[in-house]
Amino acid sequence: EPEVTQTPSHQVTQMGQEVILRCVPISNHLYFYWYRQILGQKVEFLVSFYNNEISEKSEIFDDQFSVERPDGSNFTLKIRSTKLEDSAMYFCASSGGGPFNYGYTFGSGTRLTVV
Amino acid sequence: GQQLNQSPQSMFIQEGEDVSMNCTSSSIFNTWLWYKQDPGEGPVLLIALYKAGELTSNGRLTAQFGITRKDSFLNISASIPSDVGIYFCAGPRAGKSTFGDGTTLTVKP
Repeated sequence: EPEVTQTPSHQVTQMGQEVILRCVPISNHLYFYWYRQILGQKVEFLVSFYNNEISEKSEIFDDQFSVERPDGSNFTLKIRSTKLEDSAMYFCASSGGGPFNYGYTFGSGTRLTVV
Repeated sequence: GQQLNQSPQSMFIQEGEDVSMNCTSSSIFNTWLWYKQDPGEGPVLLIALYKAGELTSNGRLTAQFGITRKDSFLNISASIPSDVGIYFCAGPRAGKSTFGDGTTLTVKP
């Protein structure tokens, strides 16, 4: 079964530092997403990415966040200057279909802890 | 923004019992998704519903897309210990999904 792979599984960083979370989506998928889940809360949409550009983003996804698909296989989420409230599980997801096929495959997540 | 309300928030049941949970929204969705999340893992898609009134099964799971397109329910029959986890409904629209708060299911052997 194809998988979405995320690395690292756990990242601890100091407040103010930059972090890059990495994802390898399923190889023939065209739509990529980042979601986050603060401990004990629901999964929240951050950003969707298609055709090398952001197609949708939430109010959480401010200027401190950016996404990139640098090489055709990786999909990264960068947080420029981390804050304590950025501590959460960050999930990458991908889907193969168009706007009406939302059967995402999620990765296992990266637990980001900002200290 | 759009909000999905899931109920109940948590359930404690005995193995073998049937479970029912639902999800409502003030907005219309054209697709409803049900996910399960195990501890420390990402959500896994269980069932996708694409048509109002649709009833879809996946093993012991059955989900229905409400006729008003503002609600959906998920039933689990004959629960087993591995059904433990958090169940999320999600309503996708325009390239993103809004998730409900989740229903936490505990199954006692």
